[in-house]
Amino acid sequence: GAVVSQHPSRVICKSGTSVKIECRSLDFQATTMFWYRQFPKQSLMLMATSNEGSKATYEQGVEKDKFLINHASLTLSTLTVTSAHPEDSSFYICSADPGTGDTEAFFGQGTRLTVV
Amino acid sequence: GEDVEQSLFLSVREGDSSVINCTYTDSSSTYLYWYKQEPGAGLQLLTYIFSNMDMKQDQRLTVLLNKKDKHLSLRIADTQTGDSAIYFCAERGTDSWGKLQFGAGTQVVVTP
Repeated sequence: GAVVSQHPSRVICKSGTSVKIECRSLDFQATTMFWYRQFPKQSLMLMATSNEGSKATYEQGVEKDKFLINHASLTLSTLTVTSAHPEDSSFYICSADPGTGDTEAFFGQGTRLTVV
Repeated sequence: GEDVEQSLFLSVREGDSSVINCTYTDSSSTYLYWYKQEPGAGLQLLTYIFSNMDMKQDQRLTVLLNKKDKHLSLRIADTQTGDSAIYFCAERGTDSWGKLQFGAGTQVVVTP
């Protein structure tokens, strides 16, 4: 099956700094990628839809200036958490849609972000 | 918005069958999925079912879909300790191709 690689898998950063998370489709082109966030013992919540070459679409309640998404190529989307706070500590996971009508979305391994 | 609900916890003895239940509200769901998440890991797609099917079997996994009641279940036969994980059901609608709505997850604990 298709492979989506997410990097880093774990990151610890200080409050006030920014952290960039990468999501790459390794063996297919992804016109659309999705970013989810999962708080402990909770479900995955969609944060935003990332479209190659255009602005991301954010879900209600997600601050677009805080969570910057860039989808500069058909194989890479990045999520930058700016001015991170401890409450941003979470598990972030991306998925990629090949845009070919596949029945499944392909998920990355996720990134555990801890803000201290 | 659409809701997907699951029971939060299931304990099962090794060798028994596990049944995880899920209900959803979006009548326009096209596909319904079961994902497995082990501690600290990403999501592993276990199986999925198209909304016009009522059953799908894949080795130890059986998915039952009652579209009228919007009820989905996952049965794991001969449950093993390696099946201990959190299981998420998710649905995909027609107007959000590629976006999934997840349930809260069911933690399955397999005891010897």
